[in-house]
Amino acid sequence: GQQVMQIPQYQHVQEGEDFTTYCNSSTTLSNIQWYKQRPGGHPVFLIQLVKSGEVKKQKRLTFQFGEAKKNSSLHITATQTTDVGTYFCAGLLGEYGNKLVFGAGTILRVKS
Amino acid sequence: NAGVTQTPKFQVLKTGQSMTLQCAQDMNHNSMYWYRQDPGMGLRLIYYSASEGTTDKGEVPNGYNVSRLNKREFSLRLESAAPSQTSVYFCASSDFPGLSYEQYFGPGTRLTVT
Repeated sequence: GQQVMQIPQYQHVQEGEDFTTYCNSSTTLSNIQWYKQRPGGHPVFLIQLVKSGEVKKQKRLTFQFGEAKKNSSLHITATQTTDVGTYFCAGLLGEYGNKLVFGAGTILRVKS
Repeated sequence: NAGVTQTPKFQVLKTGQSMTLQCAQDMNHNSMYWYRQDPGMGLRLIYYSASEGTTDKGEVPNGYNVSRLNKREFSLRLESAAPSQTSVYFCASSDFPGLSYEQYFGPGTRLTVT
């Protein structure tokens, strides 16, 4: 079954508002990756977090990896219409650490 | 570089028909993957190939077979298509084992089984 849970499933925000999506795993992850998929497109890699408690920033996006390496979050400050899409977290699992298990994704819609 | 390419982009099959989805990457990656994407389910791994000559089952392998033809190409075959296999199929590759585990995705194949 799904080992990586992601919430919320859907969020509709006014342009300029902040947005956060959360990811929780039932098992400890080797690392966690975040992807963005524009409507009708394919997933595109955003970032990878490896260390416990790691925080990384990309312009208006802030990514965090929990201390226990079981949860993560993506926060977007002051959303723009270009942020529209589905954001997926993906935990790296497997004996050889080469299998990604994706969360169900959070669909973000931005009203201008 | 084209990255990851997939053919066809769209396909409609009748129940019981067979077809092969093709995938190729030009990044010299070791690992390749097949996912299916259904609404509200995220991406689910069907099969993967950690390196040339090896293939392993993912989360949802039933009804599918794969072939890692060479380092560049990884195909997915539906022997007898069923309506439950209506989905968007993505191929991906990564440089595992390597410095980065990020996966590069192809544009996808939209498959409808009637």
